[in-house]
Amino acid sequence: AQRVTQPEKLLSVFKGAPVELKCNYSYSGSPELFWYVQYSRQRLQLLLRHISRESIKGFTADLNKGETSFHLKKPFAQEEDSAMYYCAPEAPYSGGSNYKLTFGKGTLLTVNP
Amino acid sequence: GAVVSQHPSRVICKSGTSVKIECRSLDFQATTMFWYRQFPKQSLMLMATSNEGSKATYEQGVEKDKFLINHASLTLSTLTVTSAHPEDSSFYICSAREGTGTEAFFGQGTRLTVV
Repeated sequence: AQRVTQPEKLLSVFKGAPVELKCNYSYSGSPELFWYVQYSRQRLQLLLRHISRESIKGFTADLNKGETSFHLKKPFAQEEDSAMYYCAPEAPYSGGSNYKLTFGKGTLLTVNP
Repeated sequence: GAVVSQHPSRVICKSGTSVKIECRSLDFQATTMFWYRQFPKQSLMLMATSNEGSKATYEQGVEKDKFLINHASLTLSTLTVTSAHPEDSSFYICSAREGTGTEAFFGQGTRLTVV
């Protein structure tokens, strides 16, 4: 069955500390993977996507196909990083001609001063 | 970034009535739109995926006759909750994107309360 797992519901770190938000997926084929973020009282927005291999706001995510993981990392967390983070795999349906975007349960990151 | 407008942001309706929620992409053509439901303090649950001009594909357990989705144009999709009941009260969110692998842009959500 297709599944995405974010094992940590809550994660709390101090400012300047490294942070890693875990994401494991179980999908057939090679799904495209995204991280979305929701800051307080704002709508969901894209943080980064696997295919572009870019770093946004200091965050990076490496796709490990062997471990089927797509963990999100940042070496030095900032208070403004406090938000809800969702790992989102894109999976095919309808015989592979279309793709749907599903979300993990999310991890609430709190960066303390 | 691109803008997705969802309307209304908040609606209260009586049990047994129907409610329509609109989702518009304001500055791009949305080939695909997604509808999600979010329960308090929980993640987004995908209800259905719609491609412009095609019937929506519903997730398992989502009643297609209860949650009618129309995606008649590249900038508009609607979700109609038919014969609403209190258990349909929830936060509904739409998102839209141009194509596979592209960024999905989200509406601000609609808080539905059925009394």
